[in-house]
Amino acid sequence: GAVVSQHPSRVICKSGTSVKIECRSLDFQATTMFWYRQFPKKSLMLMATSNEGSKATYEQGVEKDKFLINHASLTLSTLTVTSAHPEDSSFYICSARSPRDWNEQFFGPGTRLTVL
Amino acid sequence: AQKVTQAQTEISVVEKEDVTLDCVYETRDTTYYLFWYKQPPSGELVFLIRRNSFDEQNEISGRYSWNFQKSTSSFNFTITASQVVDSAVYFCALTGNNDMRFGAGTRLTVKP
Repeated sequence: GAVVSQHPSRVICKSGTSVKIECRSLDFQATTMFWYRQFPKKSLMLMATSNEGSKATYEQGVEKDKFLINHASLTLSTLTVTSAHPEDSSFYICSARSPRDWNEQFFGPGTRLTVL
Repeated sequence: AQKVTQAQTEISVVEKEDVTLDCVYETRDTTYYLFWYKQPPSGELVFLIRRNSFDEQNEISGRYSWNFQKSTSSFNFTITASQVVDSAVYFCALTGNNDMRFGAGTRLTVKP
């Protein structure tokens, strides 16, 4: 089956630093990837849609300058949390849309970010 | 607008009991898909099932079964003879012409 990886799985950083999270589709090409954020005991909230070769589309209320998304290739999307603060601590999950089925997404294992 | 409601925040059962997780959805799309995912403590989403809006047949997979009723906009999930390993958060989700939207999730605890 289709596999999506995320790196790192866990990251702890100091307040004010930037953190990059990678999302890779390992055995298929994904023109569209999604980034979700999940607070403890809460649901997944879509942050942005990442399209290869173009700018990401952000959901209302998500700061574009804080959460930089780059989708430079068909197998890689990155989320950079800039000038991280403790309130950015969360579980970030990416997914990649199936090239064969517009309604199917394959999810990565998630990245747990802790900002001290 | 799309919306998924999982009214049950937490459910606790004793092993071997049957349990049903409710999911009610709203959408204006005529073609849409419904999903159930399991999220164990590790955090990784585990895909369980996908149903399209034109297929109202109920489905059974081992101890899992799903009841899709368009008339009530519901897509309920039943676990028969629950086991401790079933303890997790379960999410119902919906896609149509828009992106995937998740319900709030139901935390299921199965006690030995």
